[in-house]
Amino acid sequence: EIVLTQSPGTLSLSPGERVTLFCRASQSVVGNYLAWHQQRPGRAPRVLIYGASKRAAGVPDRFSASGSGTDFILTINRLEPEDFAMYYCQQHGSSPCSFGQGTKLEIK
Amino acid sequence: QVQLQESGPGLVRPSETLSLTCTVSGASMRNNYWSWIRQPPGKRPEWIAYVYNNGGTTYDFNPSLKSRITISLDTSKNQFSLKLNSVTAADTAVYYCANVPLWWGQGTLVTVSS
Repeated sequence: EIVLTQSPGTLSLSPGERVTLFCRASQSVVGNYLAWHQQRPGRAPRVLIYGASKRAAGVPDRFSASGSGTDFILTINRLEPEDFAMYYCQQHGSSPCSFGQGTKLEIK
Repeated sequence: QVQLQESGPGLVRPSETLSLTCTVSGASMRNNYWSWIRQPPGKRPEWIAYVYNNGGTTYDFNPSLKSRITISLDTSKNQFSLKLNSVTAADTAVYYCANVPLWWGQGTLVTVSS
């Protein structure tokens, strides 16, 4: 099983700031099948990025992502109040599909 | 617009079988990977299994749960289902149906308790 490790665990930032989240895989992610999901409290996860760098429909362009192999990043420019949430990376190129432990983005 | 909706009991007794159904609208049941994912309170999501149909039906399971899972697909009803047997309190979670990674249902909380 591919283990995904996200860093940092928690980030405290202010609206308007820029943030970078990291996801490292224990093995290379096949086909770059790496997604980033946002989850607000009490809500289902929502896909932001798939295929390592493709923005999902309706996702603002302040969200961007890159990476390949074992190292992936998600960048959020100009944080909005609604961006303060939990973020998970997920790989689905190898079975079993797996999720990182998450990064919590909180308002400073 | 693709929508997924989970349905099933919110309370299951220990040692019994958890049964959930997902109804899909806006997407073909064929040539799509339909998954079940769960998320225990305060923890990361955990993928359970998927079913895929392109004429024939294939399945894949999380090895940690494989012995207790049955997953099925009914293309005529645009539904797929999950059965998890011999449940314990550790199976308490929000259960989501999904088409990884793009579409998620809203989730349904299943509590295992007597």
